[in-house]
Amino acid sequence: QSALTQPASVSGSPGQSITISCTGTSSDVGAYNHISWYQQHPGKAPKLMIYEVSNRPSGVSNRFSGSKSGNTASLTISGLQAEDEADYYCSSSTSSRTLRFGGGTKVTVL
Amino acid sequence: EVQLLESGGGLVQPGGSLRLSCAASGFIFTDYAMSWVRQVPGKGLEWVSAISGGGGSTYYADSVQGRFIVSKDNSKNTLYLQMNNVRAEDTALYYCAKSPYEFWSGNYFDPWGQGTLVTVSS
Repeated sequence: QSALTQPASVSGSPGQSITISCTGTSSDVGAYNHISWYQQHPGKAPKLMIYEVSNRPSGVSNRFSGSKSGNTASLTISGLQAEDEADYYCSSSTSSRTLRFGGGTKVTVL
Repeated sequence: EVQLLESGGGLVQPGGSLRLSCAASGFIFTDYAMSWVRQVPGKGLEWVSAISGGGGSTYYADSVQGRFIVSKDNSKNTLYLQMNNVRAEDTALYYCAKSPYEFWSGNYFDPWGQGTLVTVSS
Protein backbone atom coordinates (compact mmCIF):
# COMPACT_ATOMS: atom_id res chain seq x y z
CA GLN A 1 0.00 0.00 0.00
CA SER A 2 1.87 3.04 -1.25
CA ALA A 3 1.36 6.41 0.35
CA LEU A 4 -0.71 9.18 -1.14
CA THR A 5 1.48 11.70 -2.96
CA GLN A 6 2.26 14.98 -1.22
CA PRO A 7 5.02 17.49 -1.99
CA ALA A 8 7.94 17.01 0.38
CA SER A 9 8.04 20.67 1.28
CA VAL A 10 6.15 23.92 0.83
CA SER A 11 7.22 27.32 2.06
CA GLY A 12 5.77 30.79 2.27
CA SER A 13 6.22 34.14 3.95
CA PRO A 14 4.09 35.29 6.86
CA GLY A 15 0.69 36.42 5.65
CA GLN A 16 0.87 34.49 2.40
CA SER A 17 -1.30 31.56 1.40
CA ILE A 18 0.04 28.13 0.58
CA THR A 19 -1.61 25.00 -0.75
CA ILE A 20 -0.58 21.40 -0.14
CA SER A 21 -1.78 18.78 -2.58
CA CYS A 22 -2.55 15.15 -1.86
CA THR A 23 -2.92 12.89 -4.88
CA GLY A 24 -4.35 9.41 -4.79
CA THR A 25 -6.40 7.22 -7.09
CA SER A 26 -9.99 6.48 -7.97
CA SER A 27 -9.90 3.79 -5.24
CA ASP A 28 -9.20 6.18 -2.42
CA VAL A 29 -9.17 9.99 -2.71
CA GLY A 30 -11.36 9.99 -5.80
CA ALA A 31 -13.88 7.57 -4.36
CA TYR A 32 -14.56 8.85 -0.86
CA ASN A 33 -15.03 12.03 1.10
CA HIS A 34 -13.14 10.56 4.05
CA ILE A 35 -10.23 12.94 3.44
CA SER A 36 -8.50 14.30 6.51
CA TRP A 37 -5.52 16.53 7.21
CA TYR A 38 -3.25 16.44 10.27
CA GLN A 39 -0.68 18.87 11.60
CA GLN A 40 2.32 17.52 13.49
CA HIS A 41 4.86 19.62 15.32
CA PRO A 42 8.22 18.02 16.23
CA GLY A 43 7.92 15.58 19.10
CA LYS A 44 4.15 15.92 19.24
CA ALA A 45 1.23 13.73 18.26
CA PRO A 46 -0.67 14.59 15.07
CA LYS A 47 -3.58 16.99 15.41
CA LEU A 48 -6.70 16.87 13.25
CA MET A 49 -7.07 20.03 11.16
CA ILE A 50 -9.61 19.08 8.49
CA TYR A 51 -11.99 16.15 8.22
CA GLU A 52 -14.34 14.89 5.51
CA VAL A 53 -12.62 17.01 2.88
CA SER A 54 -13.46 20.47 4.14
CA ASN A 55 -14.73 20.44 7.71
CA ARG A 56 -12.81 22.11 10.52
CA PRO A 57 -12.94 20.72 14.07
CA SER A 58 -13.85 23.11 16.81
CA GLY A 59 -10.85 25.20 17.79
CA VAL A 60 -9.02 24.99 14.47
CA SER A 61 -8.40 28.35 12.85
CA ASN A 62 -10.51 29.26 9.83
CA ARG A 63 -7.22 30.02 8.06
CA PHE A 64 -7.17 26.29 7.31
CA SER A 65 -9.41 25.02 4.53
CA GLY A 66 -9.73 21.84 2.51
CA SER A 67 -11.06 20.85 -0.88
CA LYS A 68 -11.04 17.99 -3.36
CA SER A 69 -11.14 17.65 -7.11
CA GLY A 70 -11.04 14.23 -8.69
CA ASN A 71 -8.20 12.20 -7.23
CA THR A 72 -6.51 15.18 -5.59
CA ALA A 73 -7.29 16.78 -2.25
CA SER A 74 -5.82 20.08 -1.11
CA LEU A 75 -5.15 21.90 2.14
CA THR A 76 -4.84 25.67 2.00
CA ILE A 77 -3.36 27.73 4.80
CA SER A 78 -4.12 31.41 4.42
CA GLY A 79 -2.49 34.22 6.36
CA LEU A 80 0.52 32.01 7.10
CA GLN A 81 1.85 32.35 10.64
CA ALA A 82 5.05 31.18 12.31
CA GLU A 83 3.08 28.66 14.39
CA ASP A 84 1.92 26.95 11.19
CA GLU A 85 5.43 25.63 10.59
CA ALA A 86 5.00 21.87 10.96
CA ASP A 87 4.55 18.64 9.04
CA TYR A 88 1.18 18.06 7.41
CA TYR A 89 -0.31 14.71 6.44
CA CYS A 90 -3.39 13.87 4.42
CA SER A 91 -5.30 10.62 4.75
CA SER A 92 -8.00 8.82 2.83
CA SER A 93 -10.09 5.74 3.27
CA THR A 94 -9.74 3.11 0.57
CA SER A 95 -11.95 0.63 -1.22
CA SER A 96 -10.43 -2.20 0.86
CA ARG A 97 -11.50 -0.57 4.14
CA THR A 98 -7.99 0.42 5.00
CA LEU A 99 -6.63 3.91 5.43
CA ARG A 100 -3.80 5.49 3.52
CA PHE A 101 -1.70 8.47 4.61
CA GLY A 102 0.23 10.84 2.45
CA GLY A 103 4.00 10.93 2.73
CA GLY A 104 3.88 14.25 4.56
CA THR A 105 4.72 17.84 3.69
CA LYS A 106 7.05 20.04 5.68
CA VAL A 107 5.74 23.60 5.80
CA THR A 108 8.35 26.27 6.35
CA VAL A 109 7.49 29.85 7.21
CA LEU A 110 10.20 32.03 5.74
CA GLU B 1 -11.83 15.54 28.10
CA VAL B 2 -10.89 12.59 25.93
CA GLN B 3 -7.55 11.08 26.88
CA LEU B 4 -5.58 8.21 25.36
CA LEU B 5 -2.49 6.81 27.05
CA GLU B 6 -0.37 4.18 25.35
CA SER B 7 2.00 1.83 27.12
CA GLY B 8 3.86 -1.41 26.59
CA GLY B 9 6.52 -0.33 24.15
CA GLY B 10 10.13 -1.35 24.49
CA LEU B 11 12.94 -3.40 23.00
CA VAL B 12 12.01 -6.74 21.47
CA GLN B 13 14.05 -9.19 19.43
CA PRO B 14 13.17 -10.06 15.84
CA GLY B 15 10.63 -12.85 15.85
CA GLY B 16 9.47 -11.95 19.33
CA SER B 17 6.17 -10.65 20.68
CA LEU B 18 4.97 -7.53 22.45
CA ARG B 19 1.57 -6.26 23.58
CA LEU B 20 0.74 -2.58 23.46
CA SER B 21 -2.06 -1.04 25.50
CA CYS B 22 -4.03 2.16 25.17
CA ALA B 23 -6.04 3.31 28.18
CA ALA B 24 -8.97 5.51 27.20
CA SER B 25 -11.03 7.94 29.24
CA GLY B 26 -13.49 10.74 28.76
CA PHE B 27 -15.86 9.00 26.35
CA ILE B 28 -18.06 5.92 26.05
CA PHE B 29 -15.45 3.44 24.83
CA THR B 30 -17.91 1.00 23.24
CA ASP B 31 -19.39 3.72 21.03
CA TYR B 32 -16.27 4.42 18.98
CA ALA B 33 -13.94 2.55 16.68
CA MET B 34 -10.25 2.79 17.53
CA SER B 35 -7.06 2.50 15.51
CA TRP B 36 -3.34 2.04 15.81
CA VAL B 37 -1.09 4.22 13.67
CA ARG B 38 2.69 4.02 13.65
CA GLN B 39 5.49 6.36 12.71
CA VAL B 40 9.13 5.58 12.21
CA PRO B 41 11.00 8.48 13.88
CA GLY B 42 11.59 11.17 11.29
CA LYS B 43 9.30 9.48 8.75
CA GLY B 44 5.63 9.48 7.82
CA LEU B 45 2.49 7.99 9.33
CA GLU B 46 1.29 4.47 8.59
CA TRP B 47 -2.14 3.15 9.57
CA VAL B 48 -1.75 -0.28 11.20
CA SER B 49 -5.10 -1.55 12.39
CA ALA B 50 -8.64 -0.65 13.40
CA ILE B 51 -11.39 -2.19 15.50
CA SER B 52 -15.07 -1.40 15.77
CA GLY B 53 -16.54 -0.02 18.96
CA GLY B 54 -17.99 -3.35 20.05
CA GLY B 55 -14.81 -5.16 19.10
CA GLY B 56 -16.48 -7.52 16.66
CA SER B 57 -14.82 -6.24 13.49
CA THR B 58 -11.10 -5.80 12.92
CA TYR B 59 -9.06 -4.43 10.04
CA TYR B 60 -5.35 -4.55 9.23
CA ALA B 61 -2.78 -3.09 6.90
CA ASP B 62 -1.19 -5.64 4.58
CA SER B 63 2.17 -5.08 6.29
CA VAL B 64 0.92 -6.53 9.59
CA GLN B 65 -1.90 -8.85 8.51
CA GLY B 66 -1.41 -12.27 10.08
CA ARG B 67 1.14 -11.02 12.63
CA PHE B 68 -0.66 -8.37 14.68
CA ILE B 69 -3.96 -8.70 16.50
CA VAL B 70 -6.06 -5.75 17.64
CA SER B 71 -8.55 -6.12 20.47
CA LYS B 72 -10.35 -4.06 23.06
CA ASP B 73 -11.58 -4.74 26.57
CA ASN B 74 -14.60 -2.52 26.93
CA SER B 75 -14.89 -3.30 30.64
CA LYS B 76 -11.42 -1.79 31.13
CA ASN B 77 -11.68 0.94 28.49
CA THR B 78 -8.48 -0.38 26.99
CA LEU B 79 -7.33 -1.01 23.43
CA TYR B 80 -4.61 -3.56 22.71
CA LEU B 81 -2.24 -4.45 19.91
CA GLN B 82 -0.65 -7.88 20.13
CA MET B 83 2.47 -7.84 17.99
CA ASN B 84 3.80 -11.26 17.01
CA ASN B 85 6.73 -12.33 14.87
CA VAL B 86 8.00 -8.75 14.85
CA ARG B 87 10.49 -7.51 12.28
CA ALA B 88 13.03 -4.71 12.22
CA GLU B 89 10.67 -2.71 10.02
CA ASP B 90 8.07 -2.71 12.82
CA THR B 91 10.32 -0.34 14.77
CA ALA B 92 8.26 2.81 15.24
CA LEU B 93 6.31 5.03 17.60
CA TYR B 94 2.85 3.51 17.93
CA TYR B 95 -0.11 5.82 18.46
CA CYS B 96 -3.65 4.89 19.36
CA ALA B 97 -6.36 7.13 17.98
CA LYS B 98 -10.11 7.50 18.33
CA SER B 99 -12.45 7.44 15.33
CA PRO B 100 -15.68 9.46 15.24
CA TYR B 101 -18.10 6.55 14.76
CA GLU B 102 -18.76 3.09 16.15
CA PHE B 103 -18.05 1.35 12.89
CA TRP B 104 -14.75 1.63 11.05
CA SER B 105 -14.97 3.29 7.66
CA GLY B 106 -11.51 4.69 7.22
CA ASN B 107 -12.57 7.93 8.80
CA TYR B 108 -10.56 10.50 10.69
CA PHE B 109 -8.79 10.35 14.05
CA ASP B 110 -9.36 12.73 16.91
CA PRO B 111 -7.64 12.70 19.29
CA TRP B 112 -4.39 10.76 19.24
CA GLY B 113 -2.39 9.50 22.19
CA GLN B 114 1.23 10.47 22.73
CA GLY B 115 2.59 7.16 21.47
CA THR B 116 4.73 4.32 22.76
CA LEU B 117 8.05 3.42 21.13
CA VAL B 118 8.72 -0.08 19.89
CA THR B 119 12.26 -1.04 18.91
CA VAL B 120 12.90 -4.36 17.19
CA SER B 121 16.55 -5.29 17.41
CA SER B 122 18.80 -8.15 18.45
